[in-house]
Amino acid sequence: GEQVEQRPPHLSVREGDSAIIICTYTDSATAYFSWYKQEAGAGLQLLMSVLSNVDRKEEQGLTVLLNKKDKRLSLNLTAAHPGDSAVYFCAVSVWEGGRALIFGTGTTVSVSP
Amino acid sequence: EAAVTQSPRNKVAVTGGKVTLSCNQTNNHNNMYWYRQDTGHGLRLIHYSYGAGSTEKGDIPDGYKASRPSQENFSLILELATPSQTSVYFCASGRQGDAETLYFGSGTRLTVL
Repeated sequence: GEQVEQRPPHLSVREGDSAIIICTYTDSATAYFSWYKQEAGAGLQLLMSVLSNVDRKEEQGLTVLLNKKDKRLSLNLTAAHPGDSAVYFCAVSVWEGGRALIFGTGTTVSVSP
Repeated sequence: EAAVTQSPRNKVAVTGGKVTLSCNQTNNHNNMYWYRQDTGHGLRLIHYSYGAGSTEKGDIPDGYKASRPSQENFSLILELATPSQTSVYFCASGRQGDAETLYFGSGTRLTVL
C-alpha cells in the first residue's frame, strides 16, 4: 500500500524566513495531495490541496510543489510568522471507493520573532 | 458552530474496561473517519463509514469497533481497553467524492491505565 514519509520532524525558523517541508510517497496512482495544519490542542485544518495534474500552487504565503516524477510533495511557508507555529501534515489519497487520506508523520514548525 | 464535535475531550480508562468515543457532525457529510495520532506515526486510520449503517475497517482496526447509527453520529468503541490504546483520537467528516478535504474534530485524549 501507499507509504508516505515526511521530513523534517522538527523545524525552527526565524520570523521572515522560509520553512520547507517535504513528503515522499510511493504509489504513482496517487491522485490527491493535501497539507493540513494542526494548532496546539486542536484538530487538523486543511491548508491547501492539489490534484495530480497541478505542479505548483500558491496561496496566501504558502507554496505547494508537486514533483510526480520523484513522487515528492513540498510545502513552502514563505516569510514565516509566529502564527505559523504548528504541526503540519501532508496527506495523499488514491481514491479507492471512499478510502480516506494517508497522512505523513508531521512536522513541528516553530517560528521565533 | 463547530461542525465536528467529539466527546469526551479527555478520558481515563482502566485496562479491560469498555470505552466509547463519540463524534457528531453537522456538515451533512456522508463519510466519517476515526484516526489515532501518535508521535512518530502521524494519523492512522482505524475505521471509516460511507453513511448510516456502514462501517469499514481502516489500516489499524484491531481492538476497535465502530458504529454509525445515523448520518450525524459515528462512535468508536474499545470493548477491552489496553494501555497500547492510549492516544489522541480524531474524528473527521468528508463529502462523498471529495477525497482530499476532511473536517476534523478537536480530538479526544484517551489514557488507559
